[in-house]
Amino acid sequence: GNSVTQMEGPVTLSEEAFLTINCTYTATGYPSLFWYVQYPGEGLQLLLKATKADDKGSNKGFEATYRKETTSFHLEKGSVQVSDSAVYFCALSYLDGYNKLIFGAGTRLAVHP
Amino acid sequence: DAGVIQSPRHEVTEMGQEVTLRCKPISGHNSLFWYRQTMMRGLELLIYFNNNVPIDDSGMPEDRFSAKMPNASFSTLKIQPSEPRDSAVYFCASSLAGQPQETQYFGPGTRLLVL
Repeated sequence: GNSVTQMEGPVTLSEEAFLTINCTYTATGYPSLFWYVQYPGEGLQLLLKATKADDKGSNKGFEATYRKETTSFHLEKGSVQVSDSAVYFCALSYLDGYNKLIFGAGTRLAVHP
Repeated sequence: DAGVIQSPRHEVTEMGQEVTLRCKPISGHNSLFWYRQTMMRGLELLIYFNNNVPIDDSGMPEDRFSAKMPNASFSTLKIQPSEPRDSAVYFCASSLAGQPQETQYFGPGTRLLVL
């Protein structure tokens, strides 16, 4: 079946540190892959996406590359800020024609000054 | 663009009462999703609609939960009777189906507390 596995949190970093949040997936076919971010007290927002193998999604300094050979979509940022503290969700599109998403469990990131 | 609108934003009720959560999707979107988020269970998909028709309600926890979409611009999630374990944040999301690269857009959520 289709599933998404994320590294467990919380991830605690100092400001300006390098961030990696691992995400691997299992899927039939060729899904699109997404990273969502949820700030405290808010809904989920799309952070970036990639729709085919080797695509790189990027936004706000975050990047992730769709790696078909390793079935991965790891999220990276070169220098995190306190304002990046949030929960990050990796997701894949379930190819049923309705844009259903399969979400990972989420990884909480805390960035300290 | 108004985004997905949910109401109320907060709801406090007593056990046994009926609760109705409301959602207005983004205009032009034809898929609508209801989720529940708790610390224990994380984010759970409850039900989703396409063109106002329920496609999959296998995530609805019990018969106490029901959802409707009478038209393209409005959906409700009802809990009757409510129980303390229903306390959670409920999110609605909408999308343009048929385009796999299209994403879901989430509303701000309704924070429900059942006493």
